[in-house]
Amino acid sequence: EPEVTQTPSHQVTQMGQEVILRCVPISNHLYFYWYRQILGQKVEFLVSFYNNEISEKSEIFDDQFSVERPDGSNFTLKIRSTKLEDSAMYFCASTREGWTNEKLFFGSGTQLSVL
Amino acid sequence: QQQVKQSPQSLIVQKGGISIINCAYENTAFDYFPWYQQFPGKGPALLIAIRPDVSEKKEGRFTISFNKSAKQFSLHIMDSQPGDSATYFCAAPNQGGKLIFGQGTELSVKP
Repeated sequence: EPEVTQTPSHQVTQMGQEVILRCVPISNHLYFYWYRQILGQKVEFLVSFYNNEISEKSEIFDDQFSVERPDGSNFTLKIRSTKLEDSAMYFCASTREGWTNEKLFFGSGTQLSVL
Repeated sequence: QQQVKQSPQSLIVQKGGISIINCAYENTAFDYFPWYQQFPGKGPALLIAIRPDVSEKKEGRFTISFNKSAKQFSLHIMDSQPGDSATYFCAAPNQGGKLIFGQGTELSVKP
């Protein structure tokens, strides 16, 4: 079965530093998402991306966050100046038919630890 | 803010028993109700999903029951196995394409 791949699996950074989390969505998918999960809590929506632009973002996704699809395969999440509360597991997801959210495929996540 | 409320928070079931997890939603614009299964260190994976035009959907040992008038849906795992031990999330999408997750239920199936 096709997979969404994420790198790195773990990222440790100092508060105030910039981090870039990388994702390779499934090749024929058109809609891309970032979610995050703070330890022991529910999975929270951050942002959705379609046709090279953000289609929806949550209140969590403030000016410190940005997303980019720099080429035909990668989808990145950048946090410009990390805070302690950004520590979480970040999941990339993709789907072919975005409006139904059917078959939303998640990657295995990047565990971000901000010290 | 659209909400999906899930219960219980944790569940312990003996092998062979029935696991039942419940969800309630608020927004009647939702038209798709999936359940996701998450193992430690992994991303959520779609387990089973239902649309509100049917009241029940069964796939193997997993069944979703849907009660439109009560705005509730539930996951039943028949003949629960230790390998079913995981965290289960109900979810529903809004019109904007955002999948809203419940709080999660940590299921432990004892051998």
